[in-house]
Amino acid sequence: AQSVTQLDSHVSVSEGTPVLLRCNYSSSYSPSLFWYVQHPNKGLQLLLKYTSAATLVKGINGFEAEFKKSETSFHLTKPSAHMSDAAEYFCVVSPAGRRALTFGSGTRLQVQP
Amino acid sequence: NAGVTQTPKFRVLKTGQSMTLLCAQDMNHEYMYWYRQDPGMGLRLIHYSVGEGTTAKGEVPDGYNVSRLKKQNFLLGLESAAPSQTSVYFCASSYGPSTLSSYNEQFFGPGTRLTVL
Repeated sequence: AQSVTQLDSHVSVSEGTPVLLRCNYSSSYSPSLFWYVQHPNKGLQLLLKYTSAATLVKGINGFEAEFKKSETSFHLTKPSAHMSDAAEYFCVVSPAGRRALTFGSGTRLQVQP
Repeated sequence: NAGVTQTPKFRVLKTGQSMTLLCAQDMNHEYMYWYRQDPGMGLRLIHYSVGEGTTAKGEVPDGYNVSRLKKQNFLLGLESAAPSQTSVYFCASSYGPSTLSSYNEQFFGPGTRLTVL
């Protein structure tokens, strides 16, 4: 069975400061891992994905995530937050060869001016 | 391309009423999915389809039925709505399943907000 835990339900940062959204996963098989973003009243958009290639993954809008197998983590980072980054972020796991995605409970990012 | 579209965007039902949510995609994707999103729980898979004429149960299928009569459409039905089905429903589609070497991205629609009184 696979599961994903997002360690913070809310994160608040000031504009221009770094962002760290934490995610830990468990999976019986080599997983694919993703981060999706959901802006208010919008659908979900893929930010980045890890599929057993490079462990440091770069995504859209300056976000990146590092896959650490020893720590079973896939934390999302961005060096400098922008007001437009305010949204809900979901860490998602999919074991290799499986159709289903398992979503974390989400982290709401607030960016203060 | 419109991508994935959902109708309606909002709906209020009374307990026991029925309704159908429509999902359409214009990307020629084989796979389609219905999720529900509840506060603090992320998205959970209700049903999915791996091609025209096929459907399968997901994580939380009870109280819902689906049909995939045309490749581009995936319908989600509630035969007798209950307050526990108040949620935001998302449809998604993908070209295929994920494999060890590649990920077939799921593209999501904008969601349908359903309230059951």
